[in-house]
Amino acid sequence: NAGVTQTPKFRVLKTGQSMTLLCAQDMNHEYMYWYRQDPGMGLRLIHYSVGEGTTAKGEVPDGYNVSRLKKQNFLLGLESAAPSQTSVYFCASSLRDIIYEQYFGPGTRLTVT
Amino acid sequence: AQTVTQSQPEMSVQEAETVTLSCTYDTSESDYYLFWYKQPPSRQMILVIRQEAYKQQNATENRFSVNFQKAAKSFSLKISDSQLGDAAMYFCAYGRTFNFGNEKLTFGTGTRLTIIP
Repeated sequence: NAGVTQTPKFRVLKTGQSMTLLCAQDMNHEYMYWYRQDPGMGLRLIHYSVGEGTTAKGEVPDGYNVSRLKKQNFLLGLESAAPSQTSVYFCASSLRDIIYEQYFGPGTRLTVT
Repeated sequence: AQTVTQSQPEMSVQEAETVTLSCTYDTSESDYYLFWYKQPPSRQMILVIRQEAYKQQNATENRFSVNFQKAAKSFSLKISDSQLGDAAMYFCAYGRTFNFGNEKLTFGTGTRLTIIP
C-alpha cells in the first residue's frame, strides 16, 4: 500500500516550458487535491476533484490545468511555466469530503528559471 | 471567504515541556471541522488532530490536545511532554461541512516548532 505518490520529486523548467505532475493513490479515495506551498503562505489549493471525471478550481488556479480521467490519478499541468510557479507542490487524497483525513504525497519541488 | 490565522511563525520549547500553538479562524458557518496537520522535515504532511465544531468536548490524541473556543473562533494545539520528534511545521486548517461542490480545506501559514534538547 503505497498511499499517495507523486512524480517527479524534483524538476527544473525554463520559462515557457510545459510539464505534467502526476499524483497517484491506491486507497480508493474519491477526493483528490493539488496544493502549492510557498514560504510564509502555507498551503494554497490549486484545483481539486470530488470524483473521477470531475475537477474544480481552488484558491489559486490560474496557470494550471488538471484532469482526473481515472479515480486513482490526478494530473496537474503547467502549459507555459512562469517563475512565479516556482514552489513545492503537494497532492492529497481523502476518502470523501473534508471531514476525512487528507493523505498527502511527498511533494514535488519545481523551479522555473 | 474563510481565513485561518496562525500568529506565531516560530515557537520553541524545551524537551519534556508543554507548548501551545495558536490558531484563529473567521467563518459565519456553524457546521465545520478544524484540523491540525504536522509537516516534519521530511515534508510529508500528517494529520495530528481533528475537531468537529458541533462537539463541545475538546479533542485529544495522546500528548496532543486542543482548546476549542467556538465563540472566540479559536483553536489552539497543546503538545504535552514535548519530544524531539515533535519538531515540525504545524498547520491549522478549517473546512466547512455539508458544502457539496466546495469541499476544501483552508490552511493557515504555519508555525515552525523547535524542540530544544
